[in-house]
Amino acid sequence: NAGVTQTPKFQVLKTGQSMTLQCAQDMNHNSMYWYRQDPGMGLRLIYYSASEGTTDKGEVPNGYNVSRLNKREFSLRLESAAPSQTSVYFCASSEGVSSPLHFGNGTRLTVT
Amino acid sequence: QQQVKQSPQSLIVQKGGISIINCAYENTAFDYFPWYQQFPGKGPALLIAIRPDVSEKKEGRFTISFNKSAKQFSLHIMDSQPGDSATYFCAARYSGAGSYQLTFGKGTKLSVIP
Repeated sequence: NAGVTQTPKFQVLKTGQSMTLQCAQDMNHNSMYWYRQDPGMGLRLIYYSASEGTTDKGEVPNGYNVSRLNKREFSLRLESAAPSQTSVYFCASSEGVSSPLHFGNGTRLTVT
Repeated sequence: QQQVKQSPQSLIVQKGGISIINCAYENTAFDYFPWYQQFPGKGPALLIAIRPDVSEKKEGRFTISFNKSAKQFSLHIMDSQPGDSATYFCAARYSGAGSYQLTFGKGTKLSVIP
């Protein structure tokens, strides 16, 4: 009963490097989301995918791209990492856009 | 900009006491108000949620009180236990104009001391 699985759990990047955060869910959910969590800032939505084949910007999309690879997988890409992108990234899924969110356990990213 | 303001930032409560966390919102179109609980190293998990057509919802020791006219809602944890020590986030969502995004408060770190 895995739920939402995120990889990797930890990552350190140098400024300018690129990487892709992976997320997969096994609950047959239609909607998937990427959030970032920073101290004292709560959770802020980066991008979401209401259904397979669609993606939309959230509150803080600059510097990120996403791909809804299939119904199960939703990846987040940083093309040129910046120190301001140091954060904990959470992937979430829901049955539909108006359903409760189920979160993964996060990826802790440090950009030096 | 849609905002949800949460207070306090941190809260220390003795075991058996009542923990109260408050949230205020601005957008009267919000129609769903969940609370999430997050333990260290884990993702947030839905704790309890309410819609604006009711003023209170109770699940076990957790109660949401909702005041539509004041645009405020709060989480009450009765008989608080050390295992309740976590960060709590309130959130709000409106289902208009094709947008279903949750807006989160900044979180409250609750510590329940024995």
